[in-house]
Amino acid sequence: GQQLNQSPQSMFIQEGEDVSMNCTSSSIFNTWLWYKQDPGEGPVLLIALYKAGELTSNGRLTAQFGITRKDSFLNISASIPSDVGIYFCAGQLIGDDMRFGAGTRLTVKP
Amino acid sequence: NAGVTQTPKFRILKIGQSMTLQCTQDMNHNYMYWYRQDPGMGLKLIYYSVGAGITDKGEVPNGYNVSRSTTEDFPLRLELAAPSQTSVYFCASRSRQGRGEKLFFGSGTQLSVL
Repeated sequence: GQQLNQSPQSMFIQEGEDVSMNCTSSSIFNTWLWYKQDPGEGPVLLIALYKAGELTSNGRLTAQFGITRKDSFLNISASIPSDVGIYFCAGQLIGDDMRFGAGTRLTVKP
Repeated sequence: NAGVTQTPKFRILKIGQSMTLQCTQDMNHNYMYWYRQDPGMGLKLIYYSVGAGITDKGEVPNGYNVSRSTTEDFPLRLELAAPSQTSVYFCASRSRQGRGEKLFFGSGTQLSVL
């Protein structure tokens, strides 16, 4: 099955800094998604991307669907303490299961 | 709406014991899923269901069983617990409408098998 490589594994940043993380795959996807998991909770959808080259924002979050359909990135601008959590990328091919990356653990120091 | 509700929140099992992880959703979703999350790994699909009476294996089904007798409930059964089943388990559901990517997750069950 498709393997998703998500990087970095963890990030320690100062409040106010920008954050960038990405996800690459050995295969193409029709949909790229970014989820956030707060401690002790299940993942929650942040952004969904449906088309190669698509750039979508959700508040301070911006995500892009790579032109090759094999990668995606997520940027968080001006980080705040509540951004702490684990961010997962997920890729889906029509008719196939959703595949998740291993996650990027974000720590924001006030 | 309560969304997706999982019980219990935590459980410790001895090797060879059995248990059922409960999952119920009140959104009338057709699709339901069970995932496991191991440290440093992404979510792995165990089983899924596209509607009452229909279930299918995911990526890692060995050691588990499911049933879907109603739209609302999708319990996950471990018959002979093994240490390799120590993990955090998430139940999720989604609507059949639209692109269907919006998975709603429960808050998870942390299971330790000792």
